[in-house]
Amino acid sequence: DAMVIQNPRYQVTQFGKPVTLSCSQTLNHNVMYWYQQKSSQAPKLLFHYYDKDFNNEADTPDNFQSRRPNTSFCFLDIRSPGLGDAAMYLCATSSFGRGETQYFGPGTRLLVL
Amino acid sequence: GDSVTQMEGPVTLSEEAFLTINCTYTATGYPSLFWYVQYPGEGLQLLLKATKADDKGSNKGFEATYRKETTSFHLEKGSVQVSDSAVYFCALSDITSGTYKYIFGTGTRLKVLA
Repeated sequence: DAMVIQNPRYQVTQFGKPVTLSCSQTLNHNVMYWYQQKSSQAPKLLFHYYDKDFNNEADTPDNFQSRRPNTSFCFLDIRSPGLGDAAMYLCATSSFGRGETQYFGPGTRLLVL
Repeated sequence: GDSVTQMEGPVTLSEEAFLTINCTYTATGYPSLFWYVQYPGEGLQLLLKATKADDKGSNKGFEATYRKETTSFHLEKGSVQVSDSAVYFCALSDITSGTYKYIFGTGTRLKVLA
């Protein structure tokens, strides 16, 4: 089945130690999103790619970076994780257009020690 | 800017009860509207959507109608089951600066008791 895959499902890192979360998709969607979600709150958009065009949200900390080497893969890099960065990180994809559905991966739960 | 407001939870119901979760929105354009569901430890899944006024989205017994006059998209189900226990998010999609963004409400936790 076509899907959005996130690895790993659980990630433990130490305070200040860089970490990378990965997302891949088999839907061939041109838009990919990264969200941060804490305690079943609303997902908070960090940034998104439209093809290779990167769009950063104004309130996304500089500590968060992203790479999209090709259509299928997208990475979230957290350069120096703090305790406040512990959260669920959700990757989503969609086609570009009005009314298009976002498809979410299962998420990566990040724990910062 | 655009926003979504949905009723606070948690909502606790007995099995076979009627469910309504209210959702209202503000938007500068003509948004598409969605309901997503999130089960514990999982990502969000689309439940239903509507893209124009008076459209009714429906899936798995859930329904919601796009009401432009009241800027609402309330979720309803006639008879809930224990398996419906989850967090429900209302969302809109609207074009902003040439790209489509999705804005989510704060979520409503539903607990259905047997």
